[in-house]
Formats: sequence, C-alpha cells, structure tokens
Amino acid sequence: LAKTTQPISMDSYEGQEVNITCSHNNIATNDYITWYQQFPSQGPRFIIQGYKTKVTNEVASLFIPADRKSSTLSLPRVSLSDTAVYYCLVGDTSGSARQLTFGSGTQLTVLP
Amino acid sequence: EPEVTQTPSHQVTQMGQEVILRCVPISNHLYFYWYRQILGQKVEFLVSFYNNEISEKSEIFDDQFSVERPDGSNFTLKIRSTKLEDSAMYFCASRAQGEANYGYTFGSGTRLTVV
Repeated sequence: LAKTTQPISMDSYEGQEVNITCSHNNIATNDYITWYQQFPSQGPRFIIQGYKTKVTNEVASLFIPADRKSSTLSLPRVSLSDTAVYYCLVGDTSGSARQLTFGSGTQLTVLP
Repeated sequence: EPEVTQTPSHQVTQMGQEVILRCVPISNHLYFYWYRQILGQKVEFLVSFYNNEISEKSEIFDDQFSVERPDGSNFTLKIRSTKLEDSAMYFCASRAQGEANYGYTFGSGTRLTVV
C-alpha cells in the first residue's frame, strides 16, 4: 500500500492560491490519487481524483508530475470557508475501500 | 445536489445496549460504505457493501457489527452490546457505478456516545 505524507498544517489568507503537496514515493502503476476535504463534525467530501498530469474541476486542480511520486492540490483564491482538513489518499483500480487509508491530513486555516 | 442522509445525528446509549445507525444512500448508487472517526483521530474504514453482500471489512468490523440493506433505500449499521470505545462519529458513504473509483459521497454522520 502506498503511504502518503503531507504537511500537518498550513495557513493562508483569503484570496490567495493554496497548494498542498502530498508525497507518495512508493505509488504503484495502477494507483489513483484522490483528495478529500473534511469540516469539523462532518463527513469527508470528495474533491478530485487523478492518475497523471493535471486534472481540473470547478473546485480545484490536481497536479501530478511524470514520476507520480507526489501530487499537489491547488485551491484557487481560498476563502474563510475553505478552512478544513485536506486528505491525500492513494488507491488502486480495484476500487478496494479497505486499502484507501485516511491519514492525519493537512489542516488548512484561511485567515482574513 | 443529491445527499447521503444519516439518522439520528446524535445517539446516546448505555454500554451493553444495541444501536442501529441508519443511512439513506443516494438513490442510484450501488456501492455502500461505513466509516468511523473517533474524536480527534483518523477516519477509519469499517465495511463496504455491494449487491446485497459485504465486499470488504476491516479488522474493526468484528462480530459485534453487522450491516443490512432491509429495503431499496436504507442501509443500516448495527452495533451489538456497545462498548465505551465505540463512541465515535459514524459515516455512511455511497458511490455510483462508473464514478471515480474513490469518489464517495459521505453523509454528515451520526455521533454515537456510549455511556
């Protein structure tokens, strides 16, 4: 199972772009990279998933370099409501939920 | 936007009692999951369910736990003989066939307090 490492916390200011990088050095060929967001006392919310290069949706972008040993979640122009924990997860194409491990995540605090 | 609905939002029970946590997944979803999160700790996988049977379960999901889809809409988690350490937020999640492998929709959770 690919282990992920991400910063424990990050601070940013409203209106800034935030980039959260996740390291997954032993990612396997058939592994996907998935990011979730969680607010206090709420369930995680799926943000984005990718395999390689760049993926963009209405919420965020996910950048994955060619070696796929890391990935960066980019949140454009954050607001106070983006304060949350962000999780980077790695799982293979089998869709096995058992292998999809939520770590400690990155606590993003957006300041006014 | 479709939601996964969980009831109750908060349940207090005495140690040794049985509890049933209820979930209504999104109507066209076929894959169902239960997770838990002890206060201040990580989100932990309990069980996945597909085609009316358990697909996978974690080491946490022992004989004390069971899941059921009693009708076409509800998905329940039963905890028999609750222990103090079962106190946690329990999250239900679901996913549609063909969606991103790990693009689950989670509910808002049930906070279970065992006293």
